Amino acid sequence: GQQLNQSPQSMFIQEGEDVSMNCTSSSIFNTWLWYKQEPGEGPVLLIALYKAGELTSNGRLTAQFGITRKDSFLNISASIPSDVGIYFCAGIGSNYQLIWGAGTKLIIKP
Amino acid sequence: DVKVTQSSRYLVKRTGEKVFLECVQDMDHENMFWYRQDPGLGLRLIYFSYDVKMKEKGDIPEGYSVSREKKERFSLILESASTNQTSMYLCASSLFATEDLRAVYEQYFGPGTRLTVT
Repeated sequence: GQQLNQSPQSMFIQEGEDVSMNCTSSSIFNTWLWYKQEPGEGPVLLIALYKAGELTSNGRLTAQFGITRKDSFLNISASIPSDVGIYFCAGIGSNYQLIWGAGTKLIIKP
Repeated sequence: DVKVTQSSRYLVKRTGEKVFLECVQDMDHENMFWYRQDPGLGLRLIYFSYDVKMKEKGDIPEGYSVSREKKERFSLILESASTNQTSMYLCASSLFATEDLRAVYEQYFGPGTRLTVT
């Protein structure tokens, strides 16, 4: 079946640094979604991408739908303490179900 | 404001017990989902439902069943809990196909139930 590879698994960064994470697949996806999960909560949708090549921003977050439709990137600029959490990518597969990445845990060093 | 609630935040059960996890959404969404979340594995779909009394197996349905008697409520049942079912369980909902298909894919999650089976 379709699978997503999300990397890195975790990131330790200093406050103020930029962050970059990505998801790749051997299969084509028609939609990419990026979610954030804070400790003790369910995931919350951050950005949705519907077209190959699309670049979408949400505040300090920017996500891109890869031109090959097999990957997506999420960047966070000038990280702040409230950015900590687990970031998940998800793609819409051929059967219209969400395929989830394993998550990227973001930890900000004081 | 959209809202998905789950009956318990934390639950401890014994091996062999029957366990019910309840999920309620107030957004009149047609689709509802149950996932389990384990470290390093992301979210794995257990079951989903696209209408009352309808259910479909997800990727890991073994050991679980579901019930959807009302549109707003979706229950996950562990018939005989086992220690390998210790996990975080997340419920989600979304709209069904509408003029804007985008709404279908945007799932709204509850806060999760952390289940421990001893």
